[in-house]
Amino acid sequence: AQSVTQLDSQVPVFEEAPVELRCNYSSSVSVYLFWYVQYPNQGLQLLLKYLSGSTLVKGINGFEAEFNKSQTSFHLRKPSVHISDTAEYFCAVSDPGTDKLIFGTGTRLQVFP
Amino acid sequence: ETGVTQTPRHLVMGMTNKKSLKCEQHLGHNAMYWYKQSAKKPLELMFVYNFKEQTENNSVPSRFSPECPNSSHLFLHLHTLQPEDSALYLCASSLGLAGGGNEQFFGPGTRLTVL
Repeated sequence: AQSVTQLDSQVPVFEEAPVELRCNYSSSVSVYLFWYVQYPNQGLQLLLKYLSGSTLVKGINGFEAEFNKSQTSFHLRKPSVHISDTAEYFCAVSDPGTDKLIFGTGTRLQVFP
Repeated sequence: ETGVTQTPRHLVMGMTNKKSLKCEQHLGHNAMYWYKQSAKKPLELMFVYNFKEQTENNSVPSRFSPECPNSSHLFLHLHTLQPEDSALYLCASSLGLAGGGNEQFFGPGTRLTVL
């Protein structure tokens, strides 16, 4: 069965600093990969997704992620964070042919002024 | 209304009560999902409906009973819940077409507290 590991439960960072949120998945076969963000008292919103093609994927709000098949990773990065990026970030995986998602436990990004 | 809406946003119920959560999507999607979100746990997929048919039930206790009368509406009927069922219940929808990889759109959730 598919699984997703987000090793960092919390990542504190100062405003305008770069950040990387780590995500590793278990499958060695083709997968689709997603990053979602959840702001307080809201549902989840898609940041970006990888289905195929270029391994560097750009998303909304200046985020990007790189698919690394050999390391089964899909880390999320932003070169300069803002206070408004404070939220919970979820990595998810799905099998081709389905929209069903398996989520990681989430990483709480806290941006300090 | 646009996107995915959920009502009520907050619900407090006793263990002997019966209540229902409602989800509505205005996106023309064919698949709908119920998730449970508890503190410090991954989002737990509870049920999946495709074209009104239940395609997945992840060993959810029978005190949770889903209903999907059409592709736009999804309900979660609750009865004789336990305090450990207190959580945020999220509804989502997606295109659900062959090929997969479609974005799931989430509602804001219902915060359920069982006393």
